[in-house]
This record gives sequence, structure tokens and C-alpha cells, in this order.
Amino acid sequence: KQEVTQIPAALSVPEGENLVLNCSFTDSAIYNLQWFRQDPGKGLTSLLLIQSSQREQTSGRLNASLDKSSGRSTLYIAASQPGDSATYLCAMRSNNAGNMLTFGGGTRLMVKP
Amino acid sequence: ETGVTQSPTHLIKTRGQQVTLRCSSQSGHNTVSWYQQALGQGPQFIFQYYREEENGRGNFPPRFSGLQFPNYSSELNVNALELDDSALYLCASSGSRAEKWTFGSGTRLTVV
Repeated sequence: KQEVTQIPAALSVPEGENLVLNCSFTDSAIYNLQWFRQDPGKGLTSLLLIQSSQREQTSGRLNASLDKSSGRSTLYIAASQPGDSATYLCAMRSNNAGNMLTFGGGTRLMVKP
Repeated sequence: ETGVTQSPTHLIKTRGQQVTLRCSSQSGHNTVSWYQQALGQGPQFIFQYYREEENGRGNFPPRFSGLQFPNYSSELNVNALELDDSALYLCASSGSRAEKWTFGSGTRLTVV
């Protein structure tokens, strides 16, 4: 059974700080990994998708990396802003589990002005 | 292009009742998945439909069932509602290769 873990569960930082969110997974047969943002009570917004053949993806102030050998992905947010406050979820798709996504529990981020 | 739309946005039901949630896929997408997200947790996979057939199911009992229609819209039906069914239900759609999933805003179901 695949397991995806996100640490920390919650994080509070001052505005302007660079930060890293962590995601670890137990299934080595990863197909791809997707990072999402979720605002309170809302749906998921896709941020970045990394294929198993890639090591990182970048979009604006966001950079996601993937290390299959260690079973880890990180989401780097540069120069954080109060508008970045949300829950960040990583989701893994395995080669052995069809198209389903296995999600971590999320990291709840608060960026203080 | 339109995104994934879900209805209703909120719903309150009584234990033992039945509920139907609806989802319209993003234009051009033919694969739909449903997820249940309890408060403070990550979403859990319920099932997936491709070309009107269920082709994947998570660890949910048979009282959770679904349909996909020829226009690729989808329904999630839950019978004999239990208090623990209270959650945000998310629908996601993707193209045939299911490379990237697009999620709707969800339906918040409260069972009392």
C-alpha cells in the first residue's frame, strides 16, 4: 500500500521568507507526482506536475523537485507572500495502481505580513 | 476551456438517506475520478470512470456507487448515509492518459 507523508503538518513564516515543504512516499514505482494548493473549504488547484523521468519543475516562485531514490519531493516557495497562505498537498501516481492519486495529509502554511 | 464543475456546493442530509452528487468534466476530458476529503486530511480515492465504465476503485464500501454519462459528466451516489460520510467530495477529470488531473471545487456533504 502506498503511503505519502507530508512534514510539517503546519508552518507559520514571516512574509518574504523562502521555505521548503516536504513530501515523502514509500512506493518506488512512481509514475508522477503533483503538487496542489487548497484554500479553506475549496477544491484543489494544480501547481506543478513532475514526471518520474524529471528531477524538477519550476513555475514562477515555485520549484518542485523529485528524488525517486530517496522517495522524496520538495516544494520550494521563494519570497513568500500572505497570499501564499493555504494548504499544500502532494499526490503521487504509482505505476502499480492505475490512475489513482495517493495524497499526503497536507501542510497548512500561514504567511504573516 | 471550462474547468470541472460540481453541484451542489453544500448539502445537508440525515443519516440513512441517499445522496447524489454531480460533476461536469473539463472540456476534452474523458476520465473522471472521485475523492473523499475528511476535515484536516488529504483526499482519499473512491473510484474512477473511463468511457462510462468503472476502471478503478479505492477502499470504499459498495454503498458508494457512480455513473459516467456519454458526455463524460459523472455522478457519485451514496446510500444509507452515515455520520462519517460527512466530508468534502472532490471530482477530478483528465484526458485518456490521465497525466494531469483537474479538480473541481467540491461538494461539502454534512450528515446529521
